Amino acid sequence: GAGVSQSPSNKVTEKGKDVELRCDPISGHTALYWYRQSLGQGLEFLIYFQGNSAPDKSGLPSDRFSAERTGGSVSTLTIQRTQQEDSAVYLCASSLAVIAGGRSDTQYFGPGTRLTVL
Amino acid sequence: DAKTTQPPSMDCAEGRAANLPCNHSTISGNEYVYWYRQIHSQGPQYIIHGLKNNETNEMASLIITEDRKSSTLILPHATLRDTAVYYCIVRVYNQGGKLIFGQGTELSVKP
Repeated sequence: GAGVSQSPSNKVTEKGKDVELRCDPISGHTALYWYRQSLGQGLEFLIYFQGNSAPDKSGLPSDRFSAERTGGSVSTLTIQRTQQEDSAVYLCASSLAVIAGGRSDTQYFGPGTRLTVL
Repeated sequence: DAKTTQPPSMDCAEGRAANLPCNHSTISGNEYVYWYRQIHSQGPQYIIHGLKNNETNEMASLIITEDRKSSTLILPHATLRDTAVYYCIVRVYNQGGKLIFGQGTELSVKP
């Protein structure tokens, strides 16, 4: 079946502009995650959504970052007033549930959106 | 979450077994060991996970020591396509679904 898809695959923007990154999770997956990976850095958790629960925003680096998930499916990550340090690959993942240890919490990642802020 | 320690890089000859170690000496009784890998320019890919028993699937085997302080991921017949960064992650049961990635091991499979 279809995996996690993200769009656009590449985004170049100017400093100070707002950007929106989109994630389409695997159908039926109730949990959705955003991570980012800066050049030469590891993967950094940003935010996750689980069903109708309040999202865990603990990884968002600043209030310029926000995300929403409409209808329990598609998610949009918005970065306002982009800065050069926001340049990174933004990865989205989804899973059936968040219960650790069971097969249902395996996270499936999309190909990412490469954001370049000039 | 328990901290993991992995060697930064390893080489393996094509067709041979690749054995990737991971130390997690502070692991708690209800924490699981997960392995993901990231091939260049792709998103991470789940490989395998376990609690205390050895596990095997179509991709790899996971050997966890009896005291659970370390584990080894085994790729039985490494191919060039297995060249990737491999991440060992230990997860707390009730702390939500986020994965905390370390630096991982960069495995280079050579012909």
